[in-house]
Amino acid sequence: SQKIEQNSEALNIQEGKTATLTCNYTNYSPAYLQWYRQDPGRGPVFLLLIRENEKEKRKERLKVTFDTTLKQSLFHITASQPADSATYLCALVLGFTYGNNRLAFGKGNQVVVIP
Amino acid sequence: DAGVTQSPTHLIKTRGQQVTLRCSPKSGHDTVSWYQQALGQGPQFIFQYYEEEERQRGNFPDRFSGHQFPNYSSELNVNALLLGDSALYLCASSLRGQLAKNIQYFGAGTRLSVL
Repeated sequence: SQKIEQNSEALNIQEGKTATLTCNYTNYSPAYLQWYRQDPGRGPVFLLLIRENEKEKRKERLKVTFDTTLKQSLFHITASQPADSATYLCALVLGFTYGNNRLAFGKGNQVVVIP
Repeated sequence: DAGVTQSPTHLIKTRGQQVTLRCSPKSGHDTVSWYQQALGQGPQFIFQYYEEEERQRGNFPDRFSGHQFPNYSSELNVNALLLGDSALYLCASSLRGQLAKNIQYFGAGTRLSVL
């Protein structure tokens, strides 16, 4: 069966350290992989997108890697701050063409940055 | 620049009733997608509309239907409500010109409680 797995346990991390989240998937062949941030009572906010043929993408303090052999993406927040506390969602873009590109989301992984 | 707006923010219904949720996409966006997010879960894709037609559909029964208007706004209708329909319903808009990337801009959602 198709699965997208993110760690169900919250990640508690000290301010200034690097938070690393994992997204594993099975029986999918995504064209792209996206990461979103969701705060309580709010909708998800798009952060980063990485293509199947890209190994790494960076945006400010965020870094995403994508290994299609391992079927895994890692999401890093460097120099973490209390304002980074949120739930982070991994999403797979399941098709290569418009009209056939729905998203499949993982459950999300909560990050708590401790001052 | 107005983002995605949804109404109402909260709704309480009883089993068997019908509900209509509304969404206005981000300015300049022409595509609307709807998602259901149960507590502690990631968003689940319901369907996507552009050019006033349903283009993609997730694994949801026919009780879930939608509509897109010429101004790109959209409605989600759910008939014969079940207790299990209680969730946060998220509307997301995107730009068809993004092609396959399908980056979603989400509203804050409508919290539906079915009693």
